[in-house]
Amino acid sequence: NAGVTQTPKFQVLKTGQSMTLQCAQDMNHEYMSWYRQDPGMGLRLIHYSVGAGITDQGEVPNGYNVSRSTTEDFPLRLLSAAPSQTSVYFCASSYSGAGGEKLFFGSGTQLSVL
Amino acid sequence: GQQLNQSPQSMFIQEGEDVSMNCTSSSIFNTWLWYKQEPGEGPVLLIALYKAGELTSNGRLTAQFGITRKDSFLNISASIPSDVGIYFCAGLEYGNKLVFGAGTILRVKS
Repeated sequence: NAGVTQTPKFQVLKTGQSMTLQCAQDMNHEYMSWYRQDPGMGLRLIHYSVGAGITDQGEVPNGYNVSRSTTEDFPLRLLSAAPSQTSVYFCASSYSGAGGEKLFFGSGTQLSVL
Repeated sequence: GQQLNQSPQSMFIQEGEDVSMNCTSSSIFNTWLWYKQEPGEGPVLLIALYKAGELTSNGRLTAQFGITRKDSFLNISASIPSDVGIYFCAGLEYGNKLVFGAGTILRVKS
């Protein structure tokens, strides 16, 4: 099993550019989420999904869009990149029911916005 | 949203020493978790706690769910070089949403 796969590993954007961070999981998890990690601030929830077709906002959703057309995939879109979005992004998945607190994380995407 | 205060921010200890870190919250959590992140990787779950007062071990790691449900503690005994990394506490909110502390950076001198 690959677990949670994120691509790309590294990305540099110019201010105003758009891009999509990819996330795929092969564990048939209903719950998927995106976090950003900034120094001294831990991980903050951007968006999450409890199943295909269902998404909701987390703590810091502004500037990001998500969709969940399949159970496996949960892409994160930056519509118009800003320097404040320079961060490390993690995708995570888990079961929705019992045991769902045990998130499995991908290895992250390091994004720099110039 | 809820805030978790994790301390210390960083530790630089001698190999073989014991390590203690803690996490406090202004609100009650029903589940506390501890994760470890190594460089270039995502966090990995170490220990999950489900009951107030619960004490759970995973090898040299021991974590406790505070009796008030507003805090949790992680101890690492006899530290070794591979213990280096960032340790995060997390509390579980409604809907499987985790709230994370800012992390404790652990460095070990061998």
